[in-house]
Amino acid sequence: DAKTTQPTSMDCAEGRAANLPCNHSTISGNEYVYWYRQIHSQGPQYIIHGLKNNETNEMASLIITEDRKSSTLILPHATLRDTAVYYCIVRVAMVPEGAQKLVFGQGTRLTINP
Amino acid sequence: SAVISQKPSRDICQRGTSLTIQCQVDSQVTMMFWYRQQPGQSLTLIATANQGSEATYESGFVIDKFPISRPNLTFSTLTVSNMSPEDSSIYLCSVEGHSGNTIYFGEGSWLTVV
Repeated sequence: DAKTTQPTSMDCAEGRAANLPCNHSTISGNEYVYWYRQIHSQGPQYIIHGLKNNETNEMASLIITEDRKSSTLILPHATLRDTAVYYCIVRVAMVPEGAQKLVFGQGTRLTINP
Repeated sequence: SAVISQKPSRDICQRGTSLTIQCQVDSQVTMMFWYRQQPGQSLTLIATANQGSEATYESGFVIDKFPISRPNLTFSTLTVSNMSPEDSSIYLCSVEGHSGNTIYFGEGSWLTVV
């Protein structure tokens, strides 16, 4: 089962920041928080991941609370092309004996409105 | 990142037949994953395929229904056997990047069983 809880849907105006919350209250110390998105049933696209520090890349920022029980993905200037289902996933990374699978929840359907 | 190609991208099949989906990666990877996404649903992991060993199937998926081959470090196939309309889904191949931090997805194979 997925270890994350996300709102089913959200709306955001074009040009504004989209803030997508995720709860992961049972996260373990060695589990990372990953975000993916899926646009119109294409393959999921990796966005960002982090362990406990806030992270930023060209796509988004990830804010993780100090207790690591929740996080927020921020799309700073949302465009219509950001309309997608966003998945928050916790996963152990960098395991020497092999990859750890991604377990997807239902995600948040984000709609960017003109 | 890894570039993943899947074939076929889309197919319509008769019930009772079998279809083999191919996944080709542009670099050598240790772990490959096969997911299924039924209409309107999230992704569900079918199995993990490691080169040179038998695939590891998730609960609810069996080798007789979804045989997997992994002949080398850049290629894998998933066969959907004895198809029924309930097998109509998107089937996605994914791989772990070389750093071990990120999993990348192909664009998926849309399968409709009639």
